[in-house]
Amino acid sequence: AQSVTQPDIHITVSEGASLELRCNYSYGATPYLFWYVQSPGQGLQLLLKYFSGDTLVQGIKGFEAEFKRSQSSFNLRKPSVHWSDAAEYFCAVGAPHGYQKVTFGTGTKLQVIP
Amino acid sequence: GAGVSQSPSNKVTEKGKDVELRCDPISGHTALYWYRQRLGQGLEFLIYFQGNSAPDKSGLPSDRFSAERTGESVSTLTIQRTQQEDSAVYLCASSLGQGLNTEAFFGQGTRLTVV
Repeated sequence: AQSVTQPDIHITVSEGASLELRCNYSYGATPYLFWYVQSPGQGLQLLLKYFSGDTLVQGIKGFEAEFKRSQSSFNLRKPSVHWSDAAEYFCAVGAPHGYQKVTFGTGTKLQVIP
Repeated sequence: GAGVSQSPSNKVTEKGKDVELRCDPISGHTALYWYRQRLGQGLEFLIYFQGNSAPDKSGLPSDRFSAERTGESVSTLTIQRTQQEDSAVYLCASSLGQGLNTEAFFGQGTRLTVV
């Protein structure tokens, strides 16, 4: 069964600084990968997803993520963080074949300071 | 409907009472998930339904928790004899369930407070 690890529970960055949130997965083949964001008081929203092809995927709100098979990682990045990016971010992995549930990581809470 | 709908949006209950939370998935979505999110914490998987297959109940924390889903429609999560530690936001998500369609769509959640 697949699993997801988000090693950082909390991250604090200054506004305007770059951001990288880590995500490592465990799966026997190339999985489907997702990043979701949960802003304060909001539901979870899909930021981006990787299914196949180009390993660098672009998402909404200026986010991107890179799939690295050799490292079993799918880290989320943003070149310049805005105060409105303060939220909780969840990485998720899904199986490309068969009916298997999507597995979510426990999340990384991002704090943005002025 | 257009999205995943959960009701009620807020529920306050007395310790020891039973509560029932409802989730209406997106029409046609065969997969349905329940998660719990305690204050300041991440997503805790509870249960997964996929079509008519036996549900994956591996995340249910105790036998006070149960969930039902009839076919590919509404699901209810029932918590019996509620305890204060059950206070959390309960999130429901649905997806088309297979391959490229595993993207999950979330409802706004039910905030449960046990007093």
